[in-house]
Amino acid sequence: NAGVTQTPKFQVLKTGQSMTLQCAQDMNHEYMSWYRQDPGMGLRLIHYSVGAGITDQGEVPNGYNVSRSTTEDFPLRLLSAAPSQTSVYFCASSSGSGGNQPQHFGDGTRLSIL
Amino acid sequence: RKEVEQDPGPFNVPEGATVAFNCTYSNSASQSFFWYRQDCRKEPKLLMSVYSSGNEDGRFTAQLNRASQYISLLIRDSKLSDSATYLCVVNRGNYGQNFVFGPGTRLSVLP
Repeated sequence: NAGVTQTPKFQVLKTGQSMTLQCAQDMNHEYMSWYRQDPGMGLRLIHYSVGAGITDQGEVPNGYNVSRSTTEDFPLRLLSAAPSQTSVYFCASSSGSGGNQPQHFGDGTRLSIL
Repeated sequence: RKEVEQDPGPFNVPEGATVAFNCTYSNSASQSFFWYRQDCRKEPKLLMSVYSSGNEDGRFTAQLNRASQYISLLIRDSKLSDSATYLCVVNRGNYGQNFVFGPGTRLSVLP
């Protein structure tokens, strides 16, 4: 009963390094998304996907890339890490594209950029 | 002005108390509404959806006022385990990418 699985749980990077945050779901959900959460702020949408092969930008996409080659996986790539990207990252999924379906979250990746 | 606003709290209440949170949203086209609960350094978890007629789940009651564009959450008989941050979530339209999260209201239930 895995749900949404994110790896790694913690990561420390140096400025300029690149890395990929992994997200996988086993619920056959069409919709997947990436958020970042910073102190005192709500979750902000980075990128989302409404199905395999389809991705689009959210509110704060700069510095991040995504791809969706399968229904299950939705990795988030940091191209050249910056201290401003220090945050907690959550991946979420929901069934269908209906907005009345709640999102299910992974347990997060805590990322620090030095 | 933020699209979804909440009083950040903290709300410190004794066990057994009743506590209410409000949330306001600015986009009148918003179509669906949720309350999520987030424990410290954990992922948000769905507490309940909010329906136009209001709905109840055990000790929790959610209300929606579309005319005034606010959502409320009432917790009766507070438990220590209710201590968490409560996130108001609004979906502007028909697709998941239109979810907007409020900054959350922190609740501490004291023994």
